[in-house]
Amino acid sequence: GDSVTQMEGPVTLSEEAFLTINCTYTATGYPSLFWYVQYPGEGLQLLLKATKADDKGSNKGFEATYRKETTSFHLEKGSVQVSDSAVYFCALMRQGAQKLVFGQGTRLTINP
Amino acid sequence: GAGVSQSPRYKVTKRGQDVALRCDPISGHVSLYWYRQALGQGPEFLTYFNYEAQQDKSGLPNDRFSAERPEGSISTLTIQRTEQRDSAMYRCASSPRTGGYRGGTYEQYFGPGTRLTVT
Repeated sequence: GDSVTQMEGPVTLSEEAFLTINCTYTATGYPSLFWYVQYPGEGLQLLLKATKADDKGSNKGFEATYRKETTSFHLEKGSVQVSDSAVYFCALMRQGAQKLVFGQGTRLTINP
Repeated sequence: GAGVSQSPRYKVTKRGQDVALRCDPISGHVSLYWYRQALGQGPEFLTYFNYEAQQDKSGLPNDRFSAERPEGSISTLTIQRTEQRDSAMYRCASSPRTGGYRGGTYEQYFGPGTRLTVT
């Protein structure tokens, strides 16, 4: 079945460091790929998405590129801020399906 | 505008009791989804509706779980005879329509969740 595997956390970085959170997936066909973020005390919010191979999703300085050849959708940010501290979830939605399949989440803490 | 709301935000119940969790989607959203999230895990799909019709309930773990959306707006997820393993965060999401459109997919907007604890 479809699945998403994320880099295990927690991840702790200093402010202005470079961030990568790895995400790989298993799915038939060409799923859409997503990164969701959950800030403390809040619900899940869509951070960015990509719907086909080589698409790059970006938002708030975060980027992720849909890599079909490596079945990956790694999240990157060049310079993190304390306000980026949150739990990040990678997810997919198979074409024709209606449900999101999530990874286990990666907790990110940024220290000043 | 108002986002997805869920109530109660926290629910503590004794094993064997029934619980009802409510979701109020964004006004006008056709599709409504329920997910369950265990501690330290990502959300897992339970069921979804288009309008009042339940389209897929393949993720409901057993027949103690049921959901309804009788008027195509507010939805209730009911768990009968709760067990300790039912303890989790229950998340609701809504989207303008189901799935995808040319060049994209409809975003699912999530509510804050209901934290259920069964003692």
